[in-house]
Amino acid sequence: DTGVSQDPRHKITKRGQNVTFRCDPISEHNRLYWYRQTLGQGPEFLTYFQNEAQLEKSRLLSDRFSAERPKGSFSTLEIQRTEQGDSAMYLCASSIFIDRVTEKLFFGSGTQLSVL
Amino acid sequence: AQTVTQSQPEMSVQEAETVTLSCTYDTSESDYYLFWYKQPPSRQMILVIRQEAYKQQNATENRFSVNFQKAAKSFSLKISDSQLGDAAMYFCAYRRAISGTYKYIFGTGTRLKVLA
Repeated sequence: DTGVSQDPRHKITKRGQNVTFRCDPISEHNRLYWYRQTLGQGPEFLTYFQNEAQLEKSRLLSDRFSAERPKGSFSTLEIQRTEQGDSAMYLCASSIFIDRVTEKLFFGSGTQLSVL
Repeated sequence: AQTVTQSQPEMSVQEAETVTLSCTYDTSESDYYLFWYKQPPSRQMILVIRQEAYKQQNATENRFSVNFQKAAKSFSLKISDSQLGDAAMYFCAYRRAISGTYKYIFGTGTRLKVLA
């Protein structure tokens, strides 16, 4: 168990470029979340997967954002035509139920995106 | 819509002393979960403690305990015998208990400084 892994750790891009982030969850976890965190704010929910199915998507996720989780393993988050307002830290989390009702989230260290 | 409010942007505590971080939330639901997460400089969010709304007994985890006041919609975190390693951002979070909802709602965080 190596924890939730996110790649890259930092990404600097020019406005208008496309970027893709990867998240590798803990292997036996079937739930995966993407969150966005800006400076001075708490994480904001973006989207959620159960296995390969994307079950919930925030209104924050505009048409320029797309997330996938093929085969229910790793996940990717793509941002097309990046804007300066997309600059943030993108956090991934996977989870497991430790009993019938208790879900435990494990977060990665995030990808810090800077759009110039 | 549910909201989570942390009114203390920053708190300081002397090593070995006790500190309480405040959190209030707004919801019309009767069943939900509340959490405190710690985010150290490594950026990885770590679960500190959780509370089920249907439980009257306050949760405790070693030096960490909560004061859950359901009627007042208040959920404070008490850290006893503070240690230098407790220095971090602390986020209060809320999650509905209804099946089919997945997102966690986070507050804006409280930065805790521990003074040697």
